[in-house]
Amino acid sequence: KQEVTQIPAALSVPEGENLVLNCSFTDSAIYNLQWFRQDPGKGLTSLLLIQSSQREQTSGRLNASLDKSSGRSTLYIAASQPGDSATYLCAVRWRSNFGNEKLTFGTGTRLTIIP
Amino acid sequence: AAGVIQSPRHLIKEKRETATLKCYPIPRHDTVYWYQQGPGQDPQFLISFYEKMQSDKGSIPDRFSAQQFSDYHSELNMSSLELGDSALYFCASSSGLAGGPGNEQFFGPGTRLTVL
Repeated sequence: KQEVTQIPAALSVPEGENLVLNCSFTDSAIYNLQWFRQDPGKGLTSLLLIQSSQREQTSGRLNASLDKSSGRSTLYIAASQPGDSATYLCAVRWRSNFGNEKLTFGTGTRLTIIP
Repeated sequence: AAGVIQSPRHLIKEKRETATLKCYPIPRHDTVYWYQQGPGQDPQFLISFYEKMQSDKGSIPDRFSAQQFSDYHSELNMSSLELGDSALYFCASSSGLAGGPGNEQFFGPGTRLTVL
């Protein structure tokens, strides 16, 4: 069974700082890993998708890395802004022993950027 | 580009009532997934359909049922609603097997169900 963990559960940083969010997963046999942003009570916004064969993906101020062998991914946010305040979820796509593809979410990191 | 559409966006029901949530996938996507996200929780997989057949089943209560129709839209039927069913329900779609293994799921905006 795949378990996805995100640490820390909550993070507050002053505006302008760079920060790193962490995601770890127990089964390294994954297809890909995806980072989402979720504002309170809102839907999921896909930020970055890293295929298992890739090591990183970049979009604007965001950079996600993937180390499949160690079961880790990081989301790096540069020059943080108050608008970055949200909950960030990572999700891993993997194949179960029964042959079904599954998407398992982490518990999320609630990020607050202090103006 | 067209996205996943869910309706209604908000729904308020009483205990023991029935609710139906609808999901319209991205055009040409043949696979639909349903997730439930309780307050402060991460999304949990409920059920999925590929080419109108159930392809996988997660933590879906027996009181819930779902199906995918010929136009690939899907409906989640929830009966005998309980207070604990209050959650955000997401639908996602993908191009299924045609897109290769591990292809991306695209999420809808969700339906917020409140059971009073």
